[in-house]
Amino acid sequence: SQQGEEDPQALSIQEGENATMNCSYKTSINNLQWYRQNSGRGLVHLILIRSNEREKHSGRLRVTLDTSKKSSSLLITASRAADTASYFCARWRRDSSYKLIFGSGTRLLVRP
Amino acid sequence: GAGVSQSPSNKVTEKGKDVELRCDPISGHTALYWYRQSLGQGLEFLIYFQGNSAPDKSGLPSDRFSAERTGGSVSTLTIQRTQQEDSAVYLCASSPGTANTGELFFGEGSRLTVL
Repeated sequence: SQQGEEDPQALSIQEGENATMNCSYKTSINNLQWYRQNSGRGLVHLILIRSNEREKHSGRLRVTLDTSKKSSSLLITASRAADTASYFCARWRRDSSYKLIFGSGTRLLVRP
Repeated sequence: GAGVSQSPSNKVTEKGKDVELRCDPISGHTALYWYRQSLGQGLEFLIYFQGNSAPDKSGLPSDRFSAERTGGSVSTLTIQRTQQEDSAVYLCASSPGTANTGELFFGEGSRLTVL
């Protein structure tokens, strides 16, 4: 399967709370990326973390990467209703493959 | 253009008909990708172009699916003799460099419904 594993599949929180989404993968990576998809729209790139980085910040986003556990997490702090979307992790396979492999996604609902 | 453009945005067709989906990548982007997303699911890789050639077409689900890219720019994904299981959103993405690096820039997708 091309799908990675993300959890939770769905997350519902109150506005102002933090949201944490997790992603696990099986093969070695060059980097790992997170994308956001609003309902019925295309994907938008949020942040990229390289395999030699452990943590990266962008605004209210914080991404961590643990290559020993082959896992990453995306934290959205002080969530807003506008953060409601699906979030996907994606990674390039560290072989000759040209595929950017996406996880199955986490559907986030932020209640006003 | 300013972004990746896909057309049509919505297509409803009858089972057995052929459909063509078009992708116009960001100007200057040499890499182009097609993905398929079924309802509520993640993205399934279909094919990758570098310039006009397709080094990786391993994701095409059957020989009813084909894609081409001309002039290093516009790409067309063709589905022949459509089946109901082909119903999905077909997403196109482009990137400026070679594979295995960086982010992809996505279009808004073409939603295909096969009746």
